[in-house]
Amino acid sequence: DTEVTQTPKHLVMGMTNKKSLKCEQHMGHRAMYWYKQKAKKPPELMFVYSYEKLSINESVPSRFSPECPNSSLLNLHLHALQPEDSALYLCASSQESRTVVYGYTFGSGTRLTVV
Amino acid sequence: GQSLEQPSEVTAVEGAIVQINCTYQTSGFYGLSWYQQHDGGAPTFLSYNALDGLEETGRFSSFLSRSDSYGYLLLQELQMKDSASYFCAVRDVGSTLGRLYFGRGTQLTVWP
Repeated sequence: DTEVTQTPKHLVMGMTNKKSLKCEQHMGHRAMYWYKQKAKKPPELMFVYSYEKLSINESVPSRFSPECPNSSLLNLHLHALQPEDSALYLCASSQESRTVVYGYTFGSGTRLTVV
Repeated sequence: GQSLEQPSEVTAVEGAIVQINCTYQTSGFYGLSWYQQHDGGAPTFLSYNALDGLEETGRFSSFLSRSDSYGYLLLQELQMKDSASYFCAVRDVGSTLGRLYFGRGTQLTVWP
């Protein structure tokens, strides 16, 4: 299995809703990431998990709450979002090494619309 | 910090060769990567250069010159399906894990 699976593919939520994005990989990767991408822009890093521990939070607002229940799963809990949070949310995973960089494997993303 | 510069768009015809350049400024360097992203799709990993020189993978090649902080992606025998955004990316070495920083992306349009 060489894929990162993200669900749902599309999500429309109101500003008072609570929802969760899910990500799963079975490649044995020990690093998992959440990226946010606006149209015609590059992906922007939000969170990094290494060995199921949060290692990087790029000053993301608390209305985004990540969770890594185990080495294969990564969730992003959403609450009280704003319309400007509408974007493509990408999950990625990678092998981990200090000295060698491997490619990241991205999921197909969740296209989120906040109304 | 990290800074990557690449052209915003490139156009070419089917069968042609196109080169997408990327210059970077980084506080540390663990190699230059390239990703392809079709409209509405996920970025997919194309190549990685840690050392100077050319890496070839089928119709795609990637080149790196660390002394010039410069790399490029070369696409040969262009096909319509190559129309996509191409991102160069470098990794920050400030932590054990680091962060992958993307350039702003080059939109490649291939015309018949």
